[in-house]
Formats: sequence, C-alpha cells, structure tokens
Amino acid sequence: GAGVSQSPSNKVTEKGKDVELRCDPISGHTALYWYRQSLGQGLEFLIYFQGNSAPDKSGLPSDRFSAERTGGSVSTLTIQRTQQEDSAVYLCASRGQTNEKLFFGSGTQLSVL
Amino acid sequence: AQSVSQHNHHVILSEAASLELGCNYSYGGTVNLFWYVQYPGQHLQLLLKYFSGDPLVKGIKGFEAEFIKSKFSFNLRKPSVQWSDTAEYFCAVNSPTGTYKYIFGTGTRLKVLA
Repeated sequence: GAGVSQSPSNKVTEKGKDVELRCDPISGHTALYWYRQSLGQGLEFLIYFQGNSAPDKSGLPSDRFSAERTGGSVSTLTIQRTQQEDSAVYLCASRGQTNEKLFFGSGTQLSVL
Repeated sequence: AQSVSQHNHHVILSEAASLELGCNYSYGGTVNLFWYVQYPGQHLQLLLKYFSGDPLVKGIKGFEAEFIKSKFSFNLRKPSVQWSDTAEYFCAVNSPTGTYKYIFGTGTRLKVLA
C-alpha cells in the first residue's frame, strides 16, 4: 500500500478484555516497530521486528503484551487482560532496507474503561 | 541503555520568534540522530537526520539541528517560526552498530501564536 495502515483507528474496551491491534506496513519494508504514545510519556518503544530475526521485545511493559509478524508483513499487537493504564495511542512504523527514516501509521487510540 | 531527554515539554512562541528545542541523548557509542514532527491530525514524519559529516544539518521547512558530540546534544533550531510550525516535536536516536532500534524522547509541544 501507499503507507502504513493501522486498524482499528479507535478501540474502546472494558478492563480485563483482550484486544488485538493490526499493522500493515509498507510493502517490501523489512523492519516494523510498535510504539505507545501517551501524554507526558512521549513515544515508548515496545517491540521491533527485522526481517526473519528474533524480535527485540525489550520494550514490552508486561507479559500481557505480545506481538507477532506473520510472513514478514502484517503485525498484530495483542494486549491481554487490559488495564486502564494501557489506554494510549499505539503507533506502528515500518522502515525499508536503509536507516533513512521510519514511516508511521496513524495509530490506534485504545481506551480501556 | 540508550535514552533521550527533551527538557522543554511545552513551548509557546509568537510568529517570527526564534526557536531552539533541546535534545540530549545517553549512549556511549556512535549514534544516528533524528527529529520527527507530528502536526495536528497528521502522522509523525521525519524533519531531519544526522548520520555523519557536517554536524549542522538542515531539514525541511527551514529547520536545522546541530550535533555537539561533547555535549551529547542535538538541538533543533529555526530562526523564525510560523503559525504552521505548531506541532509536537520528537528527538530520536539509534545506533548504526546496533539493532536500529529507535529511541524517542518525550516530545515538545510547540504552539506558535499568530
């Protein structure tokens, strides 16, 4: 596609429910990143996929968070047993072969009631 | 571990005023440095980047940034801001010898008054 696509754009869920957030990177981009954006916290790194290498999961805040990338393309970020503090905008970005720049999606606004 | 500090969280300026946003990073090795901008309702986009060479780099829309290695800083500047520069600005770092994991600062919200 022309850009990084994320779905849904908004998600409202109840505390304790599981949610899945989807990211479609730019076609051919080998690197994919997930970030969490919340007020006062800036962009918090969550996880990074590079080609077929093992993902860098060092930013996942707890074991309730997980992500996968199937076929080197689409990625899903899953949050289990959501908590109110999980409310934030979840951003996905992809990058081509060079280190030139990240291309960001428009994000998923997650609200946990 | 890498980290990025942006000390100015909110900045309010009048049009034509000069801008300087601070960015300091913590990392002992070689770094690549970036400034990203998020205009209201838009995606984050790259403003400028530094990889090597001339420490003064120029980006889009008249922005520039200076890499000062001894100060671990990469401050963003613009001589004369416009109302359209109202946005949130993020400094970021990664290591060319590492995994290309981008670490971002907490951002600076700039409001330019017309």
